[in-house]
Parts: sequence; C-alpha cells; structure tokens
Amino acid sequence: EADIYQTPRYLVIGTGKKITLECSQTMGHDKMYWYQQDPGMELHLIHYSYGVNSTEKGDLSSESTVSRIRTEHFPLTLESARPSHTSQYLCASSDVYTQYFGPGTRLTVL
Amino acid sequence: KNQVEQSPQSLIILEGKNCTLQCNYTVSPFSNLRWYKQDTGRGPVSLTIMTFSENTKSNGRYTATLDADTKQSSLHITASQLSDSASYICVVHISGSARQLTFGSGTQLTVLP
Repeated sequence: EADIYQTPRYLVIGTGKKITLECSQTMGHDKMYWYQQDPGMELHLIHYSYGVNSTEKGDLSSESTVSRIRTEHFPLTLESARPSHTSQYLCASSDVYTQYFGPGTRLTVL
Repeated sequence: KNQVEQSPQSLIILEGKNCTLQCNYTVSPFSNLRWYKQDTGRGPVSLTIMTFSENTKSNGRYTATLDADTKQSSLHITASQLSDSASYICVVHISGSARQLTFGSGTQLTVLP
C-alpha cells in the first residue's frame, strides 16, 4: 500500500471559489505529479515537480497552480473555480521504478 | 505522435474465466511499459513493469507480456474474481524523460458472478 494521501476525497463548490487540493507522501520521493482524469478517459499530466522549489507545467493546459516547498507536500490551487474544472484530480509520486497514486479528489464545480 | 491504444474498450466475463487485454503503442524511444489497475473512484495501482529486454512478468493471477519488436503488450488474467472488476491501464514510459508517461484510456473489465 502506497503512502500517498489526498484531501479532500470529494469537493462540491460554487463557481468563483478558490480551492486547494492537498497531496502528501511519506516515501521521501523527489518526483511528484498531478493528473486530471475525466470518467472513462486517460490520465493527463497537468503539473510535475522534480523536487523542492521545482515545478513544471504538464502536457494538458491547466489554470491551476502548484507549489513544492517541502518534499512531502505538493498542493494544487485553483484561484477561481469554473464548471469546466469539474474532474477527478490524481496526485502521484515516483521512485526509480514506478509511480504511486493517491486515491484522488473528485471535484465538482456548480 | 506518441500513442498508446488499448483494446477492447470494455469486457464482461464470468467469474472464474480467463481474459486477455491488449495494448499497442507507438511511443519512442521506449523505456518501460506498465500495467495499472484502477478501481472506480480510486487511483491506479501498479501491477507490472517491464523493460525492453523483458518478455513476460507475472504478479499473482496477472501475467503481462511484451513484444518490443511489434510494440505490443498484453495482460492476461487467470481465474478471474469479482474483485478484478476495474479499469486496466497500459502506460508507456519514454526513455530519457523522467516525467513522460503516455497513458492508454484503459479497458473496463466487469466480472460477473
């Protein structure tokens, strides 16, 4: 069982609200990722971090931002949520061999 | 364009039966291929990872094969159980890129009693 956690698991908010999705891992991994996944569709990378103070945009354009101040923590922020942001957000970290995924946050913006 | 295509999109089988899921990829340069299991509403969990030189790898009732020449992989599930109902995702890692994973859209497997 991977030690990677995401909170909240489910979030329903109104348009225009600022939200932060939390992700933390206790495995000491330098590399962490955020993916967006719509139902029945593939995962799309939206943010990537090589380590502390190192973040990059992913392949899928996203209005969200991330920060990496501590190795174990990789939060994702939406300054002004819109209905188009409704999706599942998956956080992951990796060692040399594989990625470990958190349980995901299901976000619904009304 | 690097792509990973999986078939079938969905599959329904009876408990106890075997099944095989397919993955074709055009990713280059290839580093490794991974199969993940994703339960509904959960994050994917790694089943197997194979490098270029590996032809087959097993994890319990799951056996993955890889033909790097034809760029094809399969995941064989033996004696299926109800708990095998999930989406199975094929993921290919591009060599030389720490972040570059190309995901298939998955095969949705349903095991019926």
